Amino acid sequence: RKEVEQDPGPFNVPEGATVAFNCTYSNSASQSFFWYRQDCRKEPKLLMSVYSSGNEDGRFTAQLNRASQYISLLIRDSKLSDSATYLCVVNKPGNTPLVFGKGTRLSVIA
Amino acid sequence: EPEVTQTPSHQVTQMGQEVILRCVPISNHLYFYWYRQILGQKVEFLVSFYNNEISEKSEIFDDQFSVERPDGSNFTLKIRSTKLEDSAMYFCASSVRGQETQYFGPGTRLLVL
Repeated sequence: RKEVEQDPGPFNVPEGATVAFNCTYSNSASQSFFWYRQDCRKEPKLLMSVYSSGNEDGRFTAQLNRASQYISLLIRDSKLSDSATYLCVVNKPGNTPLVFGKGTRLSVIA
Repeated sequence: EPEVTQTPSHQVTQMGQEVILRCVPISNHLYFYWYRQILGQKVEFLVSFYNNEISEKSEIFDDQFSVERPDGSNFTLKIRSTKLEDSAMYFCASSVRGQETQYFGPGTRLLVL
C-alpha cells in the first residue's frame, strides 16, 4: 500500500466551482499533515497545514480524520490561478522527512 | 521574505560524471534536506542533515551520493558517478528546529545523457 495516496485527476472545473481533493495515508504514526501546491516544473510550496479540528484559510478548507487516516482539501470559488498540482504531505513528529503523495492535478477553466 | 536558493537551475552532464548541486538554506534554519522528483513522479526524500551530520537517509541515497556543509551557508549534494536514472529535479529544503514545516528551494533540474 502506498504511504500517501491521492486521486491523480485531472480535475477540470469552471471558474467559481467548488472542488474537493482527498488523500489517505498508511502510517498511523504520522503526526503532521500538509497540503502543498506545485506548479509545473516548480518547487512544492506550502499551501496550508492541516489540524485535527479542521482549518480554513480564505477559500481553502482542510480537514483531517485520524481514525480513517484521511485528509481533505476543499477549494471554494475556484480561480484560474488555482490551476496546479496539489500534494498531500505527511510526516512523523519532529524534523523528519516529508512523505509526499503523487498529487492531484487541478485545471480551472474560464 | 527569506527563501532557500539553489544553483545551478539546470545541469546537463554525461553519464559517469560527478555533479555537485548547491543550496543555501534559510539562515536561521538548522535542518536541511534533499529531495528529488523524477519527471511525472512524486517527490521523494533523499537525506536529512543536522548538526553537521546525516540524521536520516532513504534507500535512494546510496554510496554514490554524499552531502556536505562546507561553510556556514552552503549545503551541497554530490553525485559521484551519475547514471541515466539520476535525471530528475533535485530540491533542497530547510526547517526550523521543532517545526515540521519545510521550505523548498526552486530546484536544480539534472539531465544525465
